[in-house]
Amino acid sequence: GAGVSQTPSNKVTEKGKYVELRCDPISGHTALYWYRQSLGQGPEFLIYFQGTGAADDSGLPNDRFFAVRPEGSVSTLKIQRTERGDSAVYLCASSEWPGQGYEQYFGPGTRLTVT
Amino acid sequence: GDSVTQMEGPVTLSEEACLTINCTYTATGYPSLFWYVQYPGEGLQLLLKATKADDKGSNKGFEATYRKETTSFHLEKGSVQVSDSAVYFCALSDRAGGTSYGKLTFGQGTILTVHP
Repeated sequence: GAGVSQTPSNKVTEKGKYVELRCDPISGHTALYWYRQSLGQGPEFLIYFQGTGAADDSGLPNDRFFAVRPEGSVSTLKIQRTERGDSAVYLCASSEWPGQGYEQYFGPGTRLTVT
Repeated sequence: GDSVTQMEGPVTLSEEACLTINCTYTATGYPSLFWYVQYPGEGLQLLLKATKADDKGSNKGFEATYRKETTSFHLEKGSVQVSDSAVYFCALSDRAGGTSYGKLTFGQGTILTVHP
């Protein structure tokens, strides 16, 4: 079956611009996670959705970052007034249910470059 | 807070050599431990996991044992292949206060290159 998909695969934007990154989770998965992976580092947690609600957004670096999941499926990560330090690979993962016992399936990521 | 530390990399081996990638962790609750692998041009995928102390996770010839006394989860393989060349990430998912929703904390990753 289809895995987690993310669009676009690459995004180049100028400093100060607004960007949206999209995640299509595996159908039927209730839990959705966003992570950010900087060059040479492991992924870092950003936000977690259970259904439509953001149950934990403690990893969002500041108020320029926002994410939604209005219908409990597709999620969009939004970044306002982008900065060069936002350049990274943004990963989305989904799992059937939240919790340690459920495998997270990762998408291929969106590589964001802020010039 | 939770943290994961992996051995410094990269690691370069010849085919059929033994592999060990060290991983230690700090957690406040009762973590599950994972190894994820990222092959060139592909997304992160789960390699193996262990959910409680003394559990051994295994897959594709790789093994790791959850050692609570040393807070470690070292990845091992007895004979590596060229196809094992990838980036390996150790990770944990904590359960503090009896609840968990699966948030992962990752190490920095170890690049493994296996030569024929």
